[in-house]
Amino acid sequence: EVQLVESGGGLVQPGGSLRLSCAASGFTFSSYEMNWVRQAPGKGLEWVSYISSSGSTIYYADSVKGRFTISRDNAKNSLYLQMNSLRAEDTAVYYCASRLVIDYWGQGTLVTVSS
Amino acid sequence: QLVLTQSPSASASLGASVKLTCTLSSGHSSYAIAWHQQQPEKGPRYLMKLNSDGSHSKGDGIPDRFSGSSSGAERYLTISSLQSEDEADYYCQTWGTGTPVVFGGGTKLTVL
Repeated sequence: EVQLVESGGGLVQPGGSLRLSCAASGFTFSSYEMNWVRQAPGKGLEWVSYISSSGSTIYYADSVKGRFTISRDNAKNSLYLQMNSLRAEDTAVYYCASRLVIDYWGQGTLVTVSS
Repeated sequence: QLVLTQSPSASASLGASVKLTCTLSSGHSSYAIAWHQQQPEKGPRYLMKLNSDGSHSKGDGIPDRFSGSSSGAERYLTISSLQSEDEADYYCQTWGTGTPVVFGGGTKLTVL
């Protein structure tokens, strides 16, 4: 059974940092490109970042470019999102999601940016 | 620019059928999309991949009540024999160069 389990969310002050993790199981993680997708309270889904299966190709949404860094450790079947210079508008549930045709989603982890 | 457009809301009666629409922006009518369901207070769930010719492949455990079809730049999700648990937000999603993943704004389906 495919599982994607996010962790690392929480309450952080504006300007602070947070690192999200996504533990993958049930599939060959090293063969899958991965994404981070977020959803602000009461809003729709917003793509945040993409990383290819090898990690050699990375893309970011303009809203997070220069502040967030996506990475992966295929030996640990894990995906990460380092979030720096956090703003109130980054408050959202963050999901990891597999592939360009997103066929699996994690359950999400809530990030709240507030003083 | 690759954009997906969805109506914000739709409604249909219990036991009836409903057809949701996702429209691809000009110049992108050949693109495949994916449909996702998000029930209240839950994470999204993959429903199916839908190609421009109307062929589709569903995710694990997705009931036969869910089907997809295509016409030009329009991509459709039809839900038949509506049940109360079908009340949810439905998102279409596609992929392209530059911006790998694009979502539509979502359609909130109300089952009356």
